[in-house]
Amino acid sequence: AQSVTQLGSHVSVSEGALVLLRCNYSSSVPPYLFWYVQYPNQGLQLLLKYTSAATLVKGINGFEAEFKKSETSFHLTKPSAHMSDAAEYFCAVSDSGYSTLTFGKGTMLLVSP
Amino acid sequence: DAGITQSPRYKITETGRQVTLMCHQTWSHSYMFWYRQDLGHGLRLIYYSAAADITDKGEVPDGYVVSRSKTENFPLTLESATRSQTSVYFCASNDRAKGNEQYFGPGTRLTVT
Repeated sequence: AQSVTQLGSHVSVSEGALVLLRCNYSSSVPPYLFWYVQYPNQGLQLLLKYTSAATLVKGINGFEAEFKKSETSFHLTKPSAHMSDAAEYFCAVSDSGYSTLTFGKGTMLLVSP
Repeated sequence: DAGITQSPRYKITETGRQVTLMCHQTWSHSYMFWYRQDLGHGLRLIYYSAAADITDKGEVPDGYVVSRSKTENFPLTLESATRSQTSVYFCASNDRAKGNEQYFGPGTRLTVT
């Protein structure tokens, strides 16, 4: 069975600071990994995805994530936070042979001026 | 407009009433999904469908019924609503041939009194 653990339900950063949101997964087969963002009162929007090509994946809005098999991690980073990045972020995993996703519980990113 | 839509966006109902949440997508994606989002639980899969007339249970199916007579529609019915079904419900779709990422609707906020 797949599972996803997001460390920290809330992460606070200052505007301009590095953003690091942590995601660890478990999967019995090579996984597909995703990060989604959810703004208030909206649905989830795909930020980026890993599908066994390059281990460093670039997404929208300046975010990127690195797949580290040895650490079973897929942490999300952004060099410089912007106020507009304040939202909830979800990591998700899928076995390559299935279409269902298993989501983490989410991390709320708070950005202060 | 192309995309995935949900209706209603907000609904208040009483315990014991039947409620149907609608989901419509214009992409002709084969897979469709229903999730509920609750604080502290992230997103949990209720039901999904691989094609018209093919549905399967997810993690939390009890108390819900789905049908899919047409590819573009995937309604979710609460046959006898309970307060524990107060939640935000998201519909999503996926083109399995192009990858495992899912595309989400804007959500329906359901309150059961």
